[in-house]
Amino acid sequence: EMQLVESGGGLVQPGRSLRLSCAASGFIFDNYAMHWVRQAPGKGLEWVSGISWNSGSIDYADSVKGRFTISRDNAKNSLYLQMNSLSAEDTALYYCAKKGTGWYDYWGQGTLVTVSS
Amino acid sequence: SYVLTQPPSVSVAPGQTARITCGGNNIGSESVHWYQQKPGQAPVLVVYDDCDRPSGIPERFSGSNSGNTATLTISRVEAGDAADYYCQVWDSSSDHPVFGTGTKVTVL
Repeated sequence: EMQLVESGGGLVQPGRSLRLSCAASGFIFDNYAMHWVRQAPGKGLEWVSGISWNSGSIDYADSVKGRFTISRDNAKNSLYLQMNSLSAEDTALYYCAKKGTGWYDYWGQGTLVTVSS
Repeated sequence: SYVLTQPPSVSVAPGQTARITCGGNNIGSESVHWYQQKPGQAPVLVVYDDCDRPSGIPERFSGSNSGNTATLTISRVEAGDAADYYCQVWDSSSDHPVFGTGTKVTVL
């Protein structure tokens, strides 16, 4: 059974950092690009960042560029998101998602990041 | 950047047909994907490439795409179809995915 399990969320003060993880199982992790998508409370879906299967291609939404860093460890079947200089606008449920050709065919349950003093 | 516009809400009686639109400039030239998100749950892909269904998705879910509007159609609506629905395309100009604004489907 395919699984994506996010962790690392929590309450953090503005300006601080947080590192999210996503553990994958049930599929050949290093065959697929992986992405992070977030959803602010009561709001819609917002793409955050994506990384190709071999980390050769990485991209970010303008809203997080320069502050967030995506990475993966294929030996550990894991995806990461290092988030620095967090602000209240980053408060959201962060999902990791497995990318198909142009869509996301599987999502984790998300990890909640709350930025507040 | 590319903008996808959806109606905030759609209401439908059980057994009837719900149509959820997704408007975008010449969206008919893009591949559109649709997600269902029930309260407290992660999104689930229900239609990809305009009109294809992943395994396990009922045939009641169908999609179309032409001109400036893509449509997700839910036939013979059931109470369990109540959810938020999002369209998504891959914006070729930015090489980024773009999500629609989302539509809340209420089953009366």
